Amino acid sequence: DQQVKQNSPSLSVQEGRISILNCDYTNSMFDYFLWYKKYPAEGPTFLISISSIKDKNEDGRFTVFLNKSAKHLSLHIVPSQPGDSAVYFCAASARGSGGSNYKLTFGKGTLLTVNP
Amino acid sequence: EPEVTQTPSHQVTQMGQEVILRCVPISNHLYFYWYRQILGQKVEFLVSFYNNEISEKSEIFDDQFSVERPDGSNFTLKIRSTKLEDSAMYFCASSLGQGLGYTFGSGTRLTVV
Repeated sequence: DQQVKQNSPSLSVQEGRISILNCDYTNSMFDYFLWYKKYPAEGPTFLISISSIKDKNEDGRFTVFLNKSAKHLSLHIVPSQPGDSAVYFCAASARGSGGSNYKLTFGKGTLLTVNP
Repeated sequence: EPEVTQTPSHQVTQMGQEVILRCVPISNHLYFYWYRQILGQKVEFLVSFYNNEISEKSEIFDDQFSVERPDGSNFTLKIRSTKLEDSAMYFCASSLGQGLGYTFGSGTRLTVV
């Protein structure tokens, strides 16, 4: 049951251009979304997040857009740099019962390669 | 910057043996989690822990698994009798709340032979 879907397993872009990573979700209870970057043999590193009350959040080169009606979010990286090459995971959470749990449901990830 | 620390980084064990994976979450965090990633697959939730008890567990987290926070700083995952299919990267995470400082450790690679 894929509640969070990243349909592109890989993406290749040129240095300096924009990278757009997409994510779709099916669970309407999700109200918080996060993007993580992951290198092999390392843990996911937090990049940026967005609450369902917003439709955009920006942090430096990273911007996340949320379209609740379409149940779609995207991560824009501009300009892309070779050091951005990694696997990017979209994750979502729903406020748990009594606020006792904020487990994340992850997508399968998209491998981004930024070519010099 | 505060970190979630996991030890060991790599554990090899024989099938049927017990393993304990250790984690030191960020000190002021309130919510603790274990996730795992089987090679080539997505990161999967195992269990969440809050206020000294399990708040949710997944189907993967069966009777062979248990978690403890024995001393207020460590957070452990025990697998009583390991199976080959338990081989995976196990990630500990902690957070202050929903999305607040949700930080992962660098993982323990468990190999069951």
